[in-house]
Formats: sequence, structure tokens, C-alpha cells
Amino acid sequence: NAGVTQTPKFQVLKTGQSMTLQCAQDMNHEYMSWYRQDPGMGLRLIHYSVGAGITDQGEVPNGYNVSRSTTEDFPLRLLSAAPSQTSVYFCASSYSEERVYEQYFGPGTRLTVT
Amino acid sequence: GDSVTQMEGPVTLSEEAFLTINCTYTATGYPSLFWYVQYPGEGLQLLLKATKADDKGSNKGFEATYRKETTSFHLEKGSVQVSDSAVYFCALSRGYGGSQGNLIFGKGTKLSVKP
Repeated sequence: NAGVTQTPKFQVLKTGQSMTLQCAQDMNHEYMSWYRQDPGMGLRLIHYSVGAGITDQGEVPNGYNVSRSTTEDFPLRLLSAAPSQTSVYFCASSYSEERVYEQYFGPGTRLTVT
Repeated sequence: GDSVTQMEGPVTLSEEAFLTINCTYTATGYPSLFWYVQYPGEGLQLLLKATKADDKGSNKGFEATYRKETTSFHLEKGSVQVSDSAVYFCALSRGYGGSQGNLIFGKGTKLSVKP
């Protein structure tokens, strides 16, 4: 199993550009989520999905869109990039065993917006 | 709302020293508690977990005990190695249905171990 994969690893955007961060998992997990990691802030939840066709907002959703058309893929779209979106983005997937969600993280995408 | 507070770093130790990283939480009900580790340039990996009061999670020589009376989940290791240098995150989830599966993280503690 490849686990959770993310592309690209690095990206530089200009303010106002749009792009999609890709995330895929091959573990047949129903639950997937996107976090951003900023220095001194830990990880904050952007959006999550509890299954194909179902998404919801997390703590910091503004400026981001998601969709979940398949169990495997959960792309994150930046609609109009801003310098405040410079961050490291992590995708995660998880399964529930006796109501305990154990999350598996991808390697991250480092995004810089100039 | 739910939250996690962990000791601020960075923490610098000599090899074979004893490690404690404090973590306390605020949550309704009975959350599950986790420690994740992030090695330089990598994503997060689950280090250990505990799902109910008095549970002890352990892995790779690290331990943490779920203390409901003090709402704490402190990470300990008796003898650290240079390879333990990483950022450690304490996290909780309420673990049932929908948004309850989401993780709430502390801000992370950077550990550096010197030979």
C-alpha cells in the first residue's frame, strides 16, 4: 500500500492564482481531511469528508474548496491564492475502530504564495 | 470548545536523558488521546494512543497515561536517543460520527537530542 500520497511536494504561486492540491489514499478509508501547519500554531483543520459525496468545513475553511467524488481522492482547491495561505498542507485519512479514529498523514505540500 | 495545551519548546536534552512533555486537554465527554511525531521534512506519524481513562499507550520506549482526574496525557521516555529528535504533537478526538472524528492538536514541542 502507498498509504496517503500528496502532490505536488512544493509549489510557489503568485497572489490571485488558483491551484489544486491532490490527495489520494489506497486504504479504503471513509474519512479524509485537510490540515494546514503554521509555525507555532500546530495543525488546524481546513475541510473534512466522512465519505464520498459528503464534505464539511473545519476550523479554517475560508479560501479553500473541496469535493469528494470517490473514496480514494480528496483534492483541495485554492480559489485565489493569498500570502496568508503560505503554509504546509497535510492530507489525512482514517478509519474508525470502536469509535477511535486513527489518522494516517501524507508527506505534505509546502506552498508559498508571493 | 475542545482544546489541547502542551508545553512549549524547544526542548534540548543530552542522549540518555529522561524526557517528559506535558499535555493537558479540555473536552466534553471521553475523548481519545494521541501523540503524533513529525520527523524533519516528513508528515505526522502516530506514536501512541489511549482511548479511555487510566489507559497507558506505549511505543518505541515512549509512554503516556490517560489521566481523567487531571485531564492530562504527558509523554515520557526513560532514555532518549539522537534519533528521537523531532516535533511531538498531542491531540484529541471525540471519536464518534462526523466532526467528532476530527483531531484537535496542541501546538507541538520540538525536541533536540544532543550526543
